[in-house]
Amino acid sequence: AQSVTQLGSHVSVSEGALVLLRCNYSSSVPPYLFWYVQYPNQGLQLLLKYTSAATLVKGINGFEAEFKKSETSFHLTKPSAHMSDAAEYFCAVSEGTGGFKTIFGAGTRLFVKA
Amino acid sequence: GAVVSQHPSWVICKSGTSVKIECRSLDFQATTMFWYRQFPKQSLMLMATSNEGSKATYEQGVEKDKFLINHASLTLSTLTVTSAHPEDSSFYICSARDLVMPYNEQFFGPGTRLTVL
Repeated sequence: AQSVTQLGSHVSVSEGALVLLRCNYSSSVPPYLFWYVQYPNQGLQLLLKYTSAATLVKGINGFEAEFKKSETSFHLTKPSAHMSDAAEYFCAVSEGTGGFKTIFGAGTRLFVKA
Repeated sequence: GAVVSQHPSWVICKSGTSVKIECRSLDFQATTMFWYRQFPKQSLMLMATSNEGSKATYEQGVEKDKFLINHASLTLSTLTVTSAHPEDSSFYICSARDLVMPYNEQFFGPGTRLTVL
């Protein structure tokens, strides 16, 4: 069965600092991995996705994530945080089988200090 | 492209009434739609998966008779919360995908906030 663990329910950074949000996954087959962002009272917006084409994935708003199979990780990074990055971030895993269900991590709330 | 809408965006109802939430794919054919429930400050919990023209598949612990899902067309799925009670108050989010879309990518609606008094 697939699962996702996000380390840290809250992360706080200063504006301009590096953003690192951690995600580890478990999957019995090569997974598809996603990072989504959610602003208050809104749906989810896809930041980026890993589809096995490249281990370093670049997404929108300057975010990127690196797939490390040996560590079963898919951490999200951004070199320089902006105030508008403050939101909830979800890592998700989906397998090619099992009805294409996507399993979400618990989420990490990112705070950006001025 | 790949826009999903939900209606209404918020609804307040009295205990014991039923509420219907619509999920529409605006520019693609959604062969599969998913319904999630999200409590405050928590993650999304998958409630059910619906494929166009067939019965929905509910996750363990989700009451089928409580949460009625209909996916009658390739662009519309509805979730009806029957005999709603205060504990059903939550944020409901739908997502949609098409079989031709690769990598199991889903597109999410903006969510519906349900408050049951």
